[in-house]
Amino acid sequence: EPEVTQTPSHQVTQMGQEVILRCVPISNHLYFYWYRQILGQKVEFLVSFYNNEISEKSEIFDDQFSVERPDGSNFTLKIRSTKLEDSAMYFCASSQQGWTEAFFGQGTRLTVV
Amino acid sequence: AQTVTQSQPEMSVQEAETVTLSCTYDTSESDYYLFWYKQPPSRQMILVIRQEAYKQQNATENRFSVNFQKAAKSFSLKISDSQLGDAAMYFCAYRSALTQGGSEKLVFGKGTKLTVNP
Repeated sequence: EPEVTQTPSHQVTQMGQEVILRCVPISNHLYFYWYRQILGQKVEFLVSFYNNEISEKSEIFDDQFSVERPDGSNFTLKIRSTKLEDSAMYFCASSQQGWTEAFFGQGTRLTVV
Repeated sequence: AQTVTQSQPEMSVQEAETVTLSCTYDTSESDYYLFWYKQPPSRQMILVIRQEAYKQQNATENRFSVNFQKAAKSFSLKISDSQLGDAAMYFCAYRSALTQGGSEKLVFGKGTKLTVNP
């Protein structure tokens, strides 16, 4: 069964460093998303991406964040200068269309020290 | 903006029994989708069930069913014959229907932690 895969599963980084979280969405899906979940809190939307551009972003997704689809398979989230409060579980998701269900990856746990 | 409320932070159920998890939402839109996601200790988000707002019939998936009350903006999840593997956080989520120019994002509730007792 096709699935969304994310790497790495856990990333530890020092404050101020850049990190790139990687995702391989399901191959025939057209819409891609990043969500994050701070420990013990609800899942929050960061950004959606369609047709090689951002289609929607939240207030959390400031200039420190960027997304890219560098080739036909990968979808990345970059945080330029990490802060302690960026520590969270980051989920990539994809959907075939904008209104169909989103399938989530297993998440990347980011720890900023 | 749409909001999703799950009023039960924690619930417990005996194995083989039935449990209902509550969810209410607030929206001014008439067409949308509702979802229940399961997050086991591994923290992966797994889709459990989906409901289209234009459908009056409640969705079912094996032991999982929903009670969708559009007028009351209520969307509860019923788990029948509970199994130990059902233990997880359960998140209710809302998404606009894009045909109305709505948002693509999922709006999540805070979750309900379900414990299944043997």
